[in-house]
Amino acid sequence: AQTVTQSQPEMSVQEAETVTLSCTYDTSESDYYLFWYKQPPSRQMILVIRQEAYKQQNATENRFSVNFQKAAKSFSLKISDSQLGDAAMYFCAYIDGSGANSKLTFGKGITLSVRP
Amino acid sequence: DTGVSQDPRHKITKRGQNVTFRCDPISEHNRLYWYRQTLGQGPEFLTYFQNEAQLEKSRLLSDRFSAERPKGSFSTLEIQRTEQGDSAMYLCASSQGSHNEQFFGPGTRLTVL
Repeated sequence: AQTVTQSQPEMSVQEAETVTLSCTYDTSESDYYLFWYKQPPSRQMILVIRQEAYKQQNATENRFSVNFQKAAKSFSLKISDSQLGDAAMYFCAYIDGSGANSKLTFGKGITLSVRP
Repeated sequence: DTGVSQDPRHKITKRGQNVTFRCDPISEHNRLYWYRQTLGQGPEFLTYFQNEAQLEKSRLLSDRFSAERPKGSFSTLEIQRTEQGDSAMYLCASSQGSHNEQFFGPGTRLTVL
């Protein structure tokens, strides 16, 4: 069974600074997808960034980028130029790429606070 | 595209009562998922549909839980004989395809007294 581990329950960053959120996962599959989702307080979950395991190039979306280390099964999220609106819970998630198993497996999440 | 909607947003019920939640996915999405999220935890998969077929159910989904997606459109999740342990946020998501982005609804927060 696949597992996703987020070992840091909370992190804090100064506005305009950079922060990195860690995530490790375990799977025996070679084809899979990894995601970071953001869940603001009392608001619905939205996708931040997506990484295909077969792509060596790290995904980037504006201020958000990932460091995908497939051999180490590590998938960290870097947020540059942090903004107050980045304060939220962030979840790392995994999905099997075969299509036979469509469920997302989430980590426990990390609460990010942004100091003005 | 109005996004995924869920109704009700909040439900308070007494132990032993039945509750039903509704999810309306994004109209062109063929896959619909139900997750449960407890405070401070990540969502846990419950079940998913491809069109009207329920393809997978988690072991978390006891026989008190039943989900349907008639005609492959909206879905309902019913919990019979609710227990206090059922208190959680129930999230619905939809996607087009198996590993594309899942779009989440706002959730239904269930409180069982």
